[in-house]
Amino acid sequence: KQEVTQIPAALSVPEGENLVLNCSFTDSAIYNLQWFRQDPGKGLTSLLLIQSSQREQTSGRLNASLDKSSGRSTLYIAASQPGDSATYLCAVRTGTGRRALTFGSGTRLQVQP
Amino acid sequence: GAVVSQHPSWVICKSGTSVKIECRSLDFQATTMFWYRQFPKQSLMLMATSNEGSKATYEQGVEKDKFLINHASLTLSTLTVTSAHPEDSSFYICSASRLAGGELFFGEGSRLTVL
Repeated sequence: KQEVTQIPAALSVPEGENLVLNCSFTDSAIYNLQWFRQDPGKGLTSLLLIQSSQREQTSGRLNASLDKSSGRSTLYIAASQPGDSATYLCAVRTGTGRRALTFGSGTRLQVQP
Repeated sequence: GAVVSQHPSWVICKSGTSVKIECRSLDFQATTMFWYRQFPKQSLMLMATSNEGSKATYEQGVEKDKFLINHASLTLSTLTVTSAHPEDSSFYICSASRLAGGELFFGEGSRLTVL
């Protein structure tokens, strides 16, 4: 059974810092991995999707890497801003079936102005 | 990215009433949509998979008679919480993808409060 862990559970940084959020998973036979952002009381916004054959994806100040063999993904946020404050979730997919998607518990990020 | 819309974003109802939540894919057709439930400060829990033109598939422990799902078209799935009770109060989120196993897009979520 796939298990997804996100560390740290919460993070508070001053504005401008570069930061790394970690996601680890126990079954390396994954289909893809997706990073989401969730603002309080809101739905999830897709940030980046990495297919199993890819090593990284970039979008603006965000860069996500994937190391399948070690069961790890990192989300790098450059030059953090107060607007980046949210909960970041990673979700690992091990197939196309409905039970193939497993979410981590998230990292709550607070960027202090 | 693709857009998935949920309505209503929040609803308050009395115990014993039924509440319907809609999930629409606005710019793509989705033969499959997923309904999740999220408790405060916890991750998402898959409740059921909504399949266009056929019965929904429920996860273990989810009462199909309580959480009625209808996927009548390729762009609309509805979740009806029947005879709602305070313990049904939660944040309900739907999602869909263009392709099976593809990038998932989520609705804005619906906050249900049952008094």
